[in-house]
Amino acid sequence: GQNIDQPTEMTATEGAIVQINCTYQTSGFNGLFWYQQHAGEAPTFLSYNVLDGLEEKGRFSSFLSRSKGYSYLLLKELQMKDSASYLCAVWIYNTDKLIFGTGTRLQVFP
Amino acid sequence: DADVTQTPRNRITKTGKRIMLECSQTKGHDRMYWYRQDPGLGLQLIYYSFDVKDINKGEISDGYSVSRQAQAKFSLSLESAIPNQTALYFCATSAPGGSYTFGSGTRLTVV
Repeated sequence: GQNIDQPTEMTATEGAIVQINCTYQTSGFNGLFWYQQHAGEAPTFLSYNVLDGLEEKGRFSSFLSRSKGYSYLLLKELQMKDSASYLCAVWIYNTDKLIFGTGTRLQVFP
Repeated sequence: DADVTQTPRNRITKTGKRIMLECSQTKGHDRMYWYRQDPGLGLQLIYYSFDVKDINKGEISDGYSVSRQAQAKFSLSLESAIPNQTALYFCATSAPGGSYTFGSGTRLTVV
């Protein structure tokens, strides 16, 4: 079976740093995506990791450890507009599909 | 124009009615997907299509059917809508192994 776990909710303060974790147990792994989704809107692509290590893109970074089945999304210098859900998704090699976690709802307070 | 267009954006329908949700994309990708999203359950795959002649069931296909009319068009039908099909529905497209581009979603309410 496929299992992807993320915390349901997190809160943080404007200007702070927050780390959203994702652990996965899947049959076949070809990479991990992070998406951002504002309430009632479409998910939008943030990052993609296929090799172990850190990928940095502006205020957002994503880390992957394939041996541990673990990833995190790091958001720096938080802004109010970062209040959204963050979805972790694993690309399953043998089916060529994306399987999504349930998402982490982040609330940023002034 | 949006890369992935879904119609309608919102729909209220009665139990037992047939309803079709439409999706079209301008990305030129072969792969298209239909997901539903319920609070606390994340995105669940209903059907997916890797090209016009290749259509596959996802994890929650019961009660749904699809039609791939062309590379750019992929529609989802509820033959006899029931209240627990009330959800937010997303269509998406991708290149092989690539990131998904999602439509803006259809909010469906079955009363």
